[in-house]
Amino acid sequence: SQQGEEDPQALSIQEGENATMNCSYKTSINNLQWYRQNSGRGLVHLILIRSNEREKHSGRLRVTLDTSKKSSSLLITASRAADTASYFCATVRYTGGFKTIFGAGTRLFVKA
Amino acid sequence: GAVVSQHPSRVICKSGTSVKIECRSLDFQATTMFWYRQFPKQSLMLMATSNEGSKATYEQGVEKDKFLINHASLTLSTLTVTSAHPEDSSFYICSATSWPSPYNEQFFGPGTRLTVL
Repeated sequence: SQQGEEDPQALSIQEGENATMNCSYKTSINNLQWYRQNSGRGLVHLILIRSNEREKHSGRLRVTLDTSKKSSSLLITASRAADTASYFCATVRYTGGFKTIFGAGTRLFVKA
Repeated sequence: GAVVSQHPSRVICKSGTSVKIECRSLDFQATTMFWYRQFPKQSLMLMATSNEGSKATYEQGVEKDKFLINHASLTLSTLTVTSAHPEDSSFYICSATSWPSPYNEQFFGPGTRLTVL
């Protein structure tokens, strides 16, 4: 399969709670990126973490990367209704040219 | 961030016709553009990688004669779906990057929804 795995597939939480999404992949990577997609729209880049980094923060987002387990997590703290969207991880590896492979995605629903 | 546009945003066509989708980088030169398709509630599947001035590299299972990609300039790539059929109905998204580096952010277009009747 071209895709990595993400879990959960869907997540429903109350506003103010934290949301954690996980991503696993199969090959070695150069970096891993997280994207957000609102229904029927294009993707918005959230954060990039390089293969030699373990953790990165951006506002209410925290991303971790464990290359030994080939997994990453995205934590959204103090969620808001506006965070409702699909979240995708994407692995990038360089093999002469670079290729981005997207995970299956997690649909997050934040209830007001 | 940089802006990538797609045109049209939505197209409905009859089975057997061809449809062209444009992807433009508006404020930067895109040496590499990618084309993805996305079925409802599913992830993005990479179809092909397009480098300016050279032939596109297609992913396994993607028919190059059906999905023609042209990257004639540093700001424009086009995807033509030839002899479209209902199973080609999908959301097509392009992305662009200014340098073929794995650490460069890809900028995504807003997508084109294709419906083939």
